[in-house]
Amino acid sequence: NAGVTQTPKFQVLKTGQSMTLQCAQDMNHNSMYWYRQDPGMGLRLIYYSASEGTTDKGEVPNGYNVSRLNKREFSLRLESAAPSQTSVYFCASSELRTVKFFGSGTQLSVL
Amino acid sequence: KQEVTQIPAALSVPEGENLVLNCSFTDSAIYNLQWFRQDPGKGLTSLLLIQSSQREQTSGRLNASLDKSSGRSTLYIAASQPGDSATYLCAVVTSGGYQKVTFGIGTKLQVIP
Repeated sequence: NAGVTQTPKFQVLKTGQSMTLQCAQDMNHNSMYWYRQDPGMGLRLIYYSASEGTTDKGEVPNGYNVSRLNKREFSLRLESAAPSQTSVYFCASSELRTVKFFGSGTQLSVL
Repeated sequence: KQEVTQIPAALSVPEGENLVLNCSFTDSAIYNLQWFRQDPGKGLTSLLLIQSSQREQTSGRLNASLDKSSGRSTLYIAASQPGDSATYLCAVVTSGGYQKVTFGIGTKLQVIP
């Protein structure tokens, strides 16, 4: 009963490096989301996918790209990491307007 | 633009006390409101979801209420325990798209044994 699984849990990058955060859910949810959480700020939506094959920008999409690989998987890519992208990243999934389930997060530091 | 405020930012209470956490929002045109718990270094765990047509939801020692007209929700925790220590966040889904979810910063609760 895994729920939402994110990898990696921790990552340190140098400015300009790229990486992909992976997310998978086993609840057969249509909707998946990527958020970032910064101190003193609420979670902010980066990108979401309402269903397999669709993705849309959220509140803070600049510097990120996403791929909804299939119904289970939704990845977040940083093409050229910047120190401003140091944050904790959360993946979530849900059905429409129902309870959201969150992964345990990825702590990313960009030096 | 929806804004969500949680007061207080931090709260420390002795074990056994009943307590209330507050969440206020500026746009009353909401679909639902969800309360989460976040433990240090962990993800968010859903506690209660209140649809816009509901007034309250209960789960065990937790009771959440919603007053759309005044833009407020409260999370009531009865007989608090040290294991309740965590940060509690509320999130509001606003009409115009279920993607429009606005989170509060949270209330950090410490229950002292």
